[in-house]
Amino acid sequence: GENVEQHPSTLSVQEGDSAVIKCTYSDSASNYFPWYKQELGKGPQLIIDIRSNVGEKKDQRIAVTLNKTAKHFSLHITETQPEDSAVYFCAASKEYGNKLVFGAGTILRVKS
Amino acid sequence: DTAVSQTPKYLVTQMGNDKSIKCEQNLGHDTMYWYKQDSKKFLKIMFSYNNKELIINETVPNRFSPKSPDKAHLNLHINSLELGDSAVYFCASSQGHTQETQYFGPGTRLLVL
Repeated sequence: GENVEQHPSTLSVQEGDSAVIKCTYSDSASNYFPWYKQELGKGPQLIIDIRSNVGEKKDQRIAVTLNKTAKHFSLHITETQPEDSAVYFCAASKEYGNKLVFGAGTILRVKS
Repeated sequence: DTAVSQTPKYLVTQMGNDKSIKCEQNLGHDTMYWYKQDSKKFLKIMFSYNNKELIINETVPNRFSPKSPDKAHLNLHINSLELGDSAVYFCASSQGHTQETQYFGPGTRLLVL
Protein backbone atom coordinates (compact mmCIF):
# COMPACT_ATOMS: atom_id res chain seq x y z
CA GLY A 1 0.00 0.00 0.00
CA GLU A 2 0.86 3.66 -0.10
CA ASN A 3 3.52 5.00 2.27
CA VAL A 4 4.08 8.72 2.80
CA GLU A 5 7.23 10.00 4.47
CA GLN A 6 7.42 13.57 5.77
CA HIS A 7 10.41 15.68 6.80
CA PRO A 8 11.39 17.37 9.00
CA SER A 9 9.48 16.25 12.08
CA THR A 10 10.01 19.66 13.70
CA LEU A 11 10.90 23.00 12.17
CA SER A 12 11.63 26.26 13.93
CA VAL A 13 11.84 29.48 11.95
CA GLN A 14 12.04 33.16 12.74
CA GLU A 15 8.98 35.24 11.98
CA GLY A 16 9.18 36.49 8.41
CA ASP A 17 11.37 33.63 7.21
CA SER A 18 10.23 30.87 4.86
CA ALA A 19 9.42 27.29 5.86
CA VAL A 20 9.61 24.22 3.63
CA ILE A 21 8.19 20.79 4.44
CA LYS A 22 8.86 17.83 2.17
CA CYS A 23 7.02 14.59 1.53
CA THR A 24 7.68 11.53 -0.57
CA TYR A 25 5.16 8.89 -1.59
CA SER A 26 5.62 5.32 -2.75
CA ASP A 27 2.63 4.50 -4.95
CA SER A 28 2.93 5.99 -8.45
CA ALA A 29 -0.87 5.62 -8.82
CA SER A 30 -1.44 8.33 -6.21
CA ASN A 31 -2.60 11.49 -7.90
CA TYR A 32 -4.02 13.80 -5.26
CA PHE A 33 -1.88 15.49 -2.59
CA PRO A 34 -3.50 17.69 0.07
CA TRP A 35 -1.85 19.49 2.96
CA TYR A 36 -3.60 19.87 6.30
CA LYS A 37 -2.87 22.18 9.22
CA GLN A 38 -3.75 21.08 12.74
CA GLU A 39 -3.81 23.61 15.54
CA LEU A 40 -3.62 22.55 19.15
CA GLY A 41 -6.79 20.83 20.31
CA LYS A 42 -8.47 21.01 16.90
CA GLY A 43 -9.07 18.80 13.92
CA PRO A 44 -6.93 19.05 10.76
CA GLN A 45 -7.97 21.66 8.20
CA LEU A 46 -7.14 21.65 4.50
CA ILE A 47 -4.85 24.53 3.52
CA ILE A 48 -3.91 23.64 -0.05
CA ASP A 49 -3.95 20.67 -2.39
CA ILE A 50 -2.48 19.67 -5.74
CA ARG A 51 -3.37 17.11 -8.36
CA SER A 52 -0.90 15.18 -10.45
CA ASN A 53 -1.63 17.08 -13.64
CA VAL A 54 -0.21 20.25 -12.07
CA GLY A 55 3.37 20.96 -11.02
CA GLU A 56 2.80 23.92 -8.73
CA LYS A 57 -0.05 25.71 -7.00
CA LYS A 58 -0.01 28.89 -4.97
CA ASP A 59 -2.44 30.54 -2.58
CA GLN A 60 -1.14 33.79 -1.10
CA ARG A 61 1.77 32.86 1.21
CA ILE A 62 1.37 29.13 0.69
CA ALA A 63 2.57 27.09 -2.28
CA VAL A 64 2.86 23.43 -3.07
CA THR A 65 5.13 21.83 -5.67
CA LEU A 66 4.89 18.32 -7.07
CA ASN A 67 7.54 16.22 -8.81
CA LYS A 68 5.79 13.12 -10.12
CA THR A 69 8.96 11.56 -11.47
CA ALA A 70 10.68 11.70 -8.11
CA LYS A 71 7.42 11.09 -6.25
CA HIS A 72 7.80 13.98 -3.90
CA PHE A 73 5.90 17.13 -3.08
CA SER A 74 6.64 20.09 -0.86
CA LEU A 75 4.83 22.81 1.07
CA HIS A 76 6.32 26.29 1.05
CA ILE A 77 5.20 28.99 3.47
CA THR A 78 6.65 32.45 2.95
CA GLU A 79 6.71 35.37 5.36
CA THR A 80 5.83 33.13 8.27
CA GLN A 81 3.76 34.52 11.12
CA PRO A 82 3.26 33.26 14.69
CA GLU A 83 -0.23 32.03 13.76
CA ASP A 84 1.38 29.65 11.26
CA SER A 85 2.65 27.64 14.25
CA ALA A 86 0.87 24.27 14.09
CA VAL A 87 1.32 20.67 12.98
CA TYR A 88 1.29 20.24 9.20
CA PHE A 89 0.39 16.97 7.51
CA CYS A 90 0.88 15.96 3.92
CA ALA A 91 -1.26 13.20 2.44
CA ALA A 92 -1.69 11.21 -0.75
CA SER A 93 -4.59 9.39 -2.32
CA LYS A 94 -5.60 7.51 -5.44
CA GLU A 95 -8.70 8.06 -7.52
CA TYR A 96 -11.38 6.03 -5.80
CA GLY A 97 -12.44 6.02 -2.18
CA ASN A 98 -10.78 9.27 -1.11
CA LYS A 99 -8.58 7.27 1.24
CA LEU A 100 -5.94 9.68 2.48
CA VAL A 101 -2.60 8.25 3.62
CA PHE A 102 -0.98 10.83 5.87
CA GLY A 103 2.64 11.63 6.58
CA ALA A 104 3.79 11.66 10.20
CA GLY A 105 3.41 15.44 10.54
CA THR A 106 5.73 18.40 11.01
CA ILE A 107 5.58 20.64 14.06
CA LEU A 108 6.22 24.17 12.82
CA ARG A 109 7.19 26.81 15.36
CA VAL A 110 7.40 30.41 14.27
CA LYS A 111 9.38 32.50 16.73
CA SER A 112 8.59 36.18 17.04
CA ASP B 1 -23.65 25.77 13.58
CA THR B 2 -20.49 23.61 13.64
CA ALA B 3 -19.99 21.80 10.33
CA VAL B 4 -18.75 18.48 11.75
CA SER B 5 -19.48 17.85 15.41
CA GLN B 6 -18.51 15.00 17.69
CA THR B 7 -19.67 13.95 21.13
CA PRO B 8 -18.27 13.53 23.63
CA LYS B 9 -15.17 15.71 23.46
CA TYR B 10 -13.47 13.75 26.24
CA LEU B 11 -14.03 10.15 27.26
CA VAL B 12 -12.29 8.48 30.18
CA THR B 13 -13.18 4.86 30.83
CA GLN B 14 -11.95 1.58 32.24
CA MET B 15 -10.49 -1.31 30.27
CA GLY B 16 -13.13 -3.78 29.16
CA ASN B 17 -15.94 -1.23 28.91
CA ASP B 18 -17.98 -0.53 25.77
CA LYS B 19 -18.31 3.05 24.55
CA SER B 20 -19.71 5.01 21.61
CA ILE B 21 -18.65 8.22 19.91
CA LYS B 22 -21.17 10.15 17.83
CA CYS B 23 -20.56 12.28 14.77
CA GLU B 24 -22.88 14.56 12.85
CA GLN B 25 -22.28 16.77 9.82
CA ASN B 26 -24.57 19.53 8.58
CA LEU B 27 -22.74 20.12 5.30
CA GLY B 28 -24.98 17.89 3.23
CA HIS B 29 -22.02 15.65 2.41
CA ASP B 30 -22.40 12.09 1.18
CA THR B 31 -19.21 10.62 2.66
CA MET B 32 -18.05 10.35 6.26
CA TYR B 33 -14.89 8.96 7.84
CA TRP B 34 -13.36 7.91 11.13
CA TYR B 35 -9.66 8.51 11.79
CA LYS B 36 -7.48 7.57 14.75
CA GLN B 37 -4.64 9.88 15.85
CA ASP B 38 -2.19 8.24 18.23
CA SER B 39 0.02 9.82 20.86
CA LYS B 40 2.70 10.57 18.24
CA LYS B 41 0.13 12.50 16.19
CA PHE B 42 0.06 9.85 13.47
CA LEU B 43 -3.28 10.05 11.65
CA LYS B 44 -4.75 6.89 10.12
CA ILE B 45 -8.08 6.20 8.48
CA MET B 46 -10.27 3.54 10.03
CA PHE B 47 -13.56 3.58 8.10
CA SER B 48 -15.41 5.46 5.41
CA TYR B 49 -19.10 5.48 4.53
CA ASN B 50 -20.70 6.85 1.39
CA ASN B 51 -24.47 7.28 1.56
CA LYS B 52 -24.60 4.85 4.48
CA GLU B 53 -22.56 2.24 2.59
CA LEU B 54 -19.17 1.12 3.92
CA ILE B 55 -16.48 1.84 1.31
CA ILE B 56 -13.25 1.84 3.31
CA ASN B 57 -12.55 -0.62 6.10
CA GLU B 58 -8.94 -0.60 7.14
CA THR B 59 -7.31 -3.29 9.25
CA VAL B 60 -9.14 -2.41 12.42
CA PRO B 61 -10.01 -4.88 15.21
CA ASN B 62 -13.61 -6.02 14.94
CA ARG B 63 -14.17 -4.53 18.40
CA PHE B 64 -14.67 -1.31 16.43
CA SER B 65 -18.00 -1.09 14.66
CA PRO B 66 -19.14 1.97 12.72
CA LYS B 67 -22.83 2.64 12.23
CA SER B 68 -24.39 5.12 9.85
CA PRO B 69 -28.12 5.61 10.52
CA ASP B 70 -28.28 8.25 7.78
CA LYS B 71 -25.76 10.10 5.65
CA ALA B 72 -25.45 12.95 8.17
CA HIS B 73 -24.40 10.68 11.02
CA LEU B 74 -21.59 8.20 11.54
CA ASN B 75 -21.14 6.71 14.98
CA LEU B 76 -18.30 4.57 16.27
CA HIS B 77 -18.91 1.85 18.83
CA ILE B 78 -15.98 0.25 20.59
CA ASN B 79 -16.33 -2.99 22.54
CA SER B 80 -14.03 -4.32 25.24
CA LEU B 81 -11.82 -1.25 25.34
CA GLU B 82 -8.07 -1.80 25.63
CA LEU B 83 -5.26 0.48 26.81
CA GLY B 84 -4.02 0.77 23.21
CA ASP B 85 -7.33 2.28 22.13
CA SER B 86 -6.37 5.50 23.92
CA ALA B 87 -6.11 8.11 21.19
CA VAL B 88 -7.91 11.03 19.60
CA TYR B 89 -10.66 9.93 17.21
CA PHE B 90 -11.63 12.28 14.43
CA CYS B 91 -14.71 12.21 12.31
CA ALA B 92 -14.58 13.84 8.87
CA SER B 93 -16.86 14.33 5.91
CA SER B 94 -16.57 15.15 2.21
CA GLN B 95 -19.00 15.83 -0.60
CA GLY B 96 -18.10 12.67 -2.48
CA HIS B 97 -15.60 9.86 -2.27
CA THR B 98 -13.23 10.81 -5.08
CA GLN B 99 -10.47 13.11 -3.88
CA GLU B 100 -12.49 15.86 -2.36
CA THR B 101 -11.73 18.05 0.60
CA GLN B 102 -12.32 16.34 3.89
CA TYR B 103 -13.67 18.44 6.74
CA PHE B 104 -12.65 17.25 10.17
CA GLY B 105 -14.49 17.44 13.46
CA PRO B 106 -12.84 18.66 16.68
CA GLY B 107 -11.95 15.16 17.85
CA THR B 108 -12.83 12.92 20.78
CA ARG B 109 -10.04 12.31 23.26
CA LEU B 110 -10.37 8.75 24.56
CA LEU B 111 -8.37 7.62 27.57
CA VAL B 112 -8.61 3.99 28.65
CA LEU B 113 -7.41 3.30 32.20
